[in-house]
Amino acid sequence: EADIYQTPRYLVIGTGKKITLECSQTMGHDKMYWYQQDPGMELHLIHYSYGVNSTEKGDLSSESTVSRIRTEHFPLTLESARPSHTSQYLCASRTTVSSYNEQFFGPGTRLTVL
Amino acid sequence: AQSVAQPEDQVNVAEGNPLTVKCTYSVSGNPYLFWYVQYPNRGLQFLLKYITGDNLVKGSYGFEAEFNKSQTSFHLKKPSALVSDSALYFCAVIYGQNFVFGPGTRLSVLP
Repeated sequence: EADIYQTPRYLVIGTGKKITLECSQTMGHDKMYWYQQDPGMELHLIHYSYGVNSTEKGDLSSESTVSRIRTEHFPLTLESARPSHTSQYLCASRTTVSSYNEQFFGPGTRLTVL
Repeated sequence: AQSVAQPEDQVNVAEGNPLTVKCTYSVSGNPYLFWYVQYPNRGLQFLLKYITGDNLVKGSYGFEAEFNKSQTSFHLKKPSALVSDSALYFCAVIYGQNFVFGPGTRLSVLP
């Protein structure tokens, strides 16, 4: 098992609430990623970070924001949750000591917005 | 543009039979290719990767994959399928610093 953690694992919340999904890794990886995945479907990259104070938007437009203040921590925030945000959110990290290291994934957060 | 295709949404195989999950890619330069597996309500788990060298790559849980440069393919294989292999499988390629994932193939191994 990879040392990458996501909390909460499941979250049911009402429309308009602000939420933060936590992601932490203890491997010292410089690169971290957030993916959105509807159950059983493909992954969509929504945010990534190449290091502290570095964040970029991914291929899929998202109303969420991220921050990278510490190497090990990459939280994702939704200021005002909507039912369209209902999905699974996967966090991943990798080191680039070499160009072809694999990504390690957390267990995911399944978000339901009512 | 870099892309990964998995032409089959679903693959069904009987337990004990060999399985193949197909993947083709389109990249510029040398491809770095990966296979991941996802069990229900879990994140993705790394199975194996091809970087260079031997075209047959061995990975976790008895899986292997064959790289074929002329066909731009990287098919995942296992000689004898288990019911516990039933899951969602993703092929991926590195593009720059990020990964490009295929759409996934659901494997069902029937007892």
